Amino acid sequence: NAGVMQNPRHLVRRRGQEARLRCSPMKGHSHVYWYRQLPEEGLKFMVYLQKENIIDESGMPKERFSAEFPKEGPSILRIQQVVRGDSAAYFCASSPPRQTYEQYFGPGTRLTVT
Amino acid sequence: GQNIDQPTEMTATEGAIVQINCTYQTSGFNGLFWYQQHAGEAPTFLSYNVLDGLEEKGRFSSFLSRSKGYSYLLLKELQMKDSASYLCAVKDSWGKLQFGAGTQVVVTP
Repeated sequence: NAGVMQNPRHLVRRRGQEARLRCSPMKGHSHVYWYRQLPEEGLKFMVYLQKENIIDESGMPKERFSAEFPKEGPSILRIQQVVRGDSAAYFCASSPPRQTYEQYFGPGTRLTVT
Repeated sequence: GQNIDQPTEMTATEGAIVQINCTYQTSGFNGLFWYQQHAGEAPTFLSYNVLDGLEEKGRFSSFLSRSKGYSYLLLKELQMKDSASYLCAVKDSWGKLQFGAGTQVVVTP
């Protein structure tokens, strides 16, 4: 069974460019969560999605950030007009439909904004 | 909102026992999780408590008291490879995890 897959693993963008981060959940998992980890800090929840639905986006910055989980294909976290403060590790996690199950994390995408 | 508190760093020697405490204040509770994270890597699941009491899994045990908003992770027979950050996380009613800042455990020879 393949685990949660994220790509790219490392992404370098200049200020003002767009960053697209992809996440493929584990087989059979229909829930996807995105978290951000700034250097030397804990993980912060960003958004929770199910197929074609955003369930909770209370952790997403109001501007420049968006997320989707289409019927086919991976979940995408999109950051427009990146700034230096967006440099962080972005982790995706997935879980099966039942609430009691743990979330399995992908290896993360390390975004560096120059 | 939610508040998750855990110590920043703990140091212990190989073979010893270390207990990492976590206190939380939440507006919804659907379980408490402990994850291990080595530097530059993804968090890996260690334990899950939703009812009061102790859950034991090999060298790792986790305890929960819902009335006190308190949990601990106990690491026994410490090994050098246990040097990592340990993250306490509370799952809310919607399913998302709220993480503490993590406790860096340093194991010395």
